[in-house]
Amino acid sequence: GAVVSQHPSRVICKSGTSVKIECRSLDFQATTMFWYRQFPKQSLMLMATSNEGSKATYEQGVEKDKFLINHASLTLSTLTVTSAHPEDSSFYICSAPDRGGNQPQHFGDGTRLSIL
Amino acid sequence: AQSVTQLDSQVPVFEEAPVELRCNYSSSVSVYLFWYVQYPNQGLQLLLKYLSGSTLVKGINGFEAEFNKSQTSFHLRKPSVHISDTAEYFCAVSDSGGYQKVTFGTGTKLQVIP
Repeated sequence: GAVVSQHPSRVICKSGTSVKIECRSLDFQATTMFWYRQFPKQSLMLMATSNEGSKATYEQGVEKDKFLINHASLTLSTLTVTSAHPEDSSFYICSAPDRGGNQPQHFGDGTRLSIL
Repeated sequence: AQSVTQLDSQVPVFEEAPVELRCNYSSSVSVYLFWYVQYPNQGLQLLLKYLSGSTLVKGINGFEAEFNKSQTSFHLRKPSVHISDTAEYFCAVSDSGGYQKVTFGTGTKLQVIP
């Protein structure tokens, strides 16, 4: 069964809305989680590393004020797309390392975000 | 830092024929290697992984891959494909250490033709 749960699976909203996406590790603790973005017909690009109890680490070119990450507990990380615009429409996927911080990582089922 | 190259963006193959999806990587340190499959509008599912040990790795759904350190390759193979194998396949690499971020290739679309 799934070891990482991502919610919601699909969001359609108006431009200017802020959208929160949740990523939960099921029955194991994840002090680190990763957030990826995937454009149509392209690969996954790492956006940021979410660290429990500390600030997230963002990849070059990712706006940290646009994509707010909160890792408030050992099983939950959230990504908030603030004041979303059509260019933010994409497929967002989270992942968490296996138990004990080992590979491979387990991926959520992704969130399809569509901004009108 | 690592990089992954998947030279084939699309691979059409007839049902029950064999297939090989190519993957080459670049890294200055020891690596872990993975193949993931993605069906439309879904997340990623791990097919197989190489962490250490035997260079021939068997995964789910009849897939296997061979780690070739000298050629820095990790090609994915299946002796007989099914229609249900039609999907996007991603090769990925990470440093051999916990919590390391994964770098993905650009993906190969496998199209199985009836």
